[in-house]
Amino acid sequence: AQSVTQPDIHITVSEGASLELRCNYSYGATPYLFWYVQSPGQGLQLLLKYFSGDTLVQGIKGFEAEFKRSQSSFNLRKPSVHWSDAAEYFCAVGAGGSQGNLIFGKGTKLSVKP
Amino acid sequence: NAGVTQTPKFQVLKTGQSMTLQCAQDMNHNSMYWYRQDPGMGLRLIYYSASEGTTDKGEVPDGYNVSRLKKQNFLLGLESAAPSQTSVYFCASSYSTGDRKRNTEAFFGQGTRLTVV
Repeated sequence: AQSVTQPDIHITVSEGASLELRCNYSYGATPYLFWYVQSPGQGLQLLLKYFSGDTLVQGIKGFEAEFKRSQSSFNLRKPSVHWSDAAEYFCAVGAGGSQGNLIFGKGTKLSVKP
Repeated sequence: NAGVTQTPKFQVLKTGQSMTLQCAQDMNHNSMYWYRQDPGMGLRLIYYSASEGTTDKGEVPDGYNVSRLKKQNFLLGLESAAPSQTSVYFCASSYSTGDRKRNTEAFFGQGTRLTVV
């Protein structure tokens, strides 16, 4: 069965520092992979997605993620964090086929120190 | 462009009451989903619908029912609310096909915060 693991429940970084949020997945075929961001009291916004092709994908707000098949990982990165990046981040894998539903990790809450 | 609209945004129910959460999308998506979000649990799929008139159970369907009579609407019902159903509920939609090249990401509503007392 497909699953997603986000090992870090809560991460705190200083403003201007680099960021890497980890995501590992379990899936039998080439996965669809997504990163979503959720600000407090809000819905989920797509940051970026990977379907196929180039393993380094660029997203909105200066985020990028790299798909590494050998490590079953899809880590999210940002070179310089801004205070407005404080939010909860969810990695998700597409269940595939015609269903299209997503399986989510439990999320990583990002706090940003001034 | 409204995207995915959920109503109501907030609701308080007494144990045993029933209610329906409504979701509408204006993107002509064929697939729609209901998730619940609980602290430390991420989002868990309750039900999904791959097309109008079809629905399937997700990970946590017990205590819920759904209806997809129109392509743009997906309703989530609680027949007899329980405190364990206190949660934030998200509706989402996507254009999904069997062709991996055409599947798109899911778009989410703003959520319904439900409290059962």
